[in-house]
Amino acid sequence: GQSLEQPSEVTAVEGAIVQINCTYQTSGFYGLSWYQQHDGGAPTFLSYNALDGLEETGRFSSFLSRSDSYGYLLLQELQMKDSASYFCAGRDNYGQNFVFGPGTRLSVLP
Amino acid sequence: NAGVTQTPKFRVLKTGQSMTLLCAQDMNHEYMYWYRQDPGMGLRLIHYSVGEGTTAKGEVPDGYNVSRLKKQNFLLGLESAAPSQTSVYFCASSSPSGPTYNEQFFGPGTRLTVL
Repeated sequence: GQSLEQPSEVTAVEGAIVQINCTYQTSGFYGLSWYQQHDGGAPTFLSYNALDGLEETGRFSSFLSRSDSYGYLLLQELQMKDSASYFCAGRDNYGQNFVFGPGTRLSVLP
Repeated sequence: NAGVTQTPKFRVLKTGQSMTLLCAQDMNHEYMYWYRQDPGMGLRLIHYSVGEGTTAKGEVPDGYNVSRLKKQNFLLGLESAAPSQTSVYFCASSSPSGPTYNEQFFGPGTRLTVL
C-alpha cells in the first residue's frame, strides 16, 4: 500500500518562497498530485507529476523524484490567500485511486 | 456546470440512526469517490466507483455502504450511525481520460455529527 508523509506546519512571510515536502512509501505508484484546501472548504487541484522533474503552473511548481520517493510543492511570491492546508496524494498503479498525505498547514504572515 | 454537488450540507444524527448522503456530478465522469476527513487530518477513502453499477472498498469502508445506480450519482449510506462517524464527508469525481485525467473534482462536503 501507499503511505505519505508531510510536515504538519510551515510558516512564511508574504512575498517569500516556501517548499512543502512529501515523502512516500509505496508498493505501487503512478504519480503525485497536490491539492490546496482552505479552512471550511473543499480540496482543489494544484498540480500533478507523472514523471520525474519540475512542473510549473504560475506561482506554484511541483517536483517529483521517483527514485528518491520524494516530491515537493514550491510556492513563490507568497500571498496571504495562500494560507491553507496542502496535501500530496499518490496515485495507485491502476490509475483509479489516490492516497492522501496528512496535509501541511501553511501560514503566511504579513 | 454545477460540478460536484452534495446533499445535505449539514446533518446531526443520534447513535443508531441511518441516513444517505447524495453526490451528483454533471461532468460525465466515470470515477466517483467518497472520502472522510477528520479534524487536522488528510482524506481517507471510504468507497469508490469506476463506473455505473460498480463499487469497491477503500481504506475505511466499515459501517458504510454505497450505490452507483446512475453514472451521475453516488450514494453513501450509514445504516447505524456511531459517534466515530462524526466527520466531514467529501465526494469527488474524475475522468479516466482527457485533459483533466489527473484531477479529482471535489464537492463542498457534508458535515455530519453523530451524538
